[in-house]
Amino acid sequence: GDSVTQMEGPVTLSEEAFLTINCTYTATGYPSLFWYVQYPGEGLQLLLKATKADDKGSNKGFEATYRKETTSFHLEKGSVQVSDSAVYFCALGRYGQNFVFGPGTRLSVLP
Amino acid sequence: ETGVTQTPRHLVMGMTNKKSLKCEQHLGHNAMYWYKQSAKKPLELMFVYNFKEQTENNSVPSRFSPECPNSSHLFLHLHTLQPEDSALYLCASSQDRTSGGLEQYFGPGTRLTVT
Repeated sequence: GDSVTQMEGPVTLSEEAFLTINCTYTATGYPSLFWYVQYPGEGLQLLLKATKADDKGSNKGFEATYRKETTSFHLEKGSVQVSDSAVYFCALGRYGQNFVFGPGTRLSVLP
Repeated sequence: ETGVTQTPRHLVMGMTNKKSLKCEQHLGHNAMYWYKQSAKKPLELMFVYNFKEQTENNSVPSRFSPECPNSSHLFLHLHTLQPEDSALYLCASSQDRTSGGLEQYFGPGTRLTVT
């Protein structure tokens, strides 16, 4: 079956540092890939998505590219802020099937 | 209101109580989901409804009883819970299970504590 693996962290960075959170998946065919973010005390918010190979999703300075050859969807941001401190979830979805979520990566950004 | 709303945001209940969680989506979606999020555990899918029909029950104990009266509303009825049921309960919705946008939109969750 499908699966998603991501670095569990926690990841601690200084403000304005470069962020990468790795996500790899195992799946047949071409599922859609997502990044969700969960701020303290809140639900998950859709951050970005990609629906086919080589698609780049982007939002709020975050980017991720759907790499079929490496089965990866790494999340990147060039300069993180304290307000980016949250838990980030990588997820895989297909029609008619349940989402597969990674375990989440906690990010702490220090001023 | 926009998006997905959940009430109450916090709930404390004893093991013999009966309570209900409510979810409402204002997105015109036809699929709705209940998830359980416990500390240090992966997100667990509990129930799925598509066009008001339950399509998934992930071996959830019978002390959790879902209800979906229409595509906009989803309830989770709780009775005789155990302390290990304490968690954040998240509701989500998507267009439907077979077409349209796949992405799920989540509510803020209900933080449940069972004493």
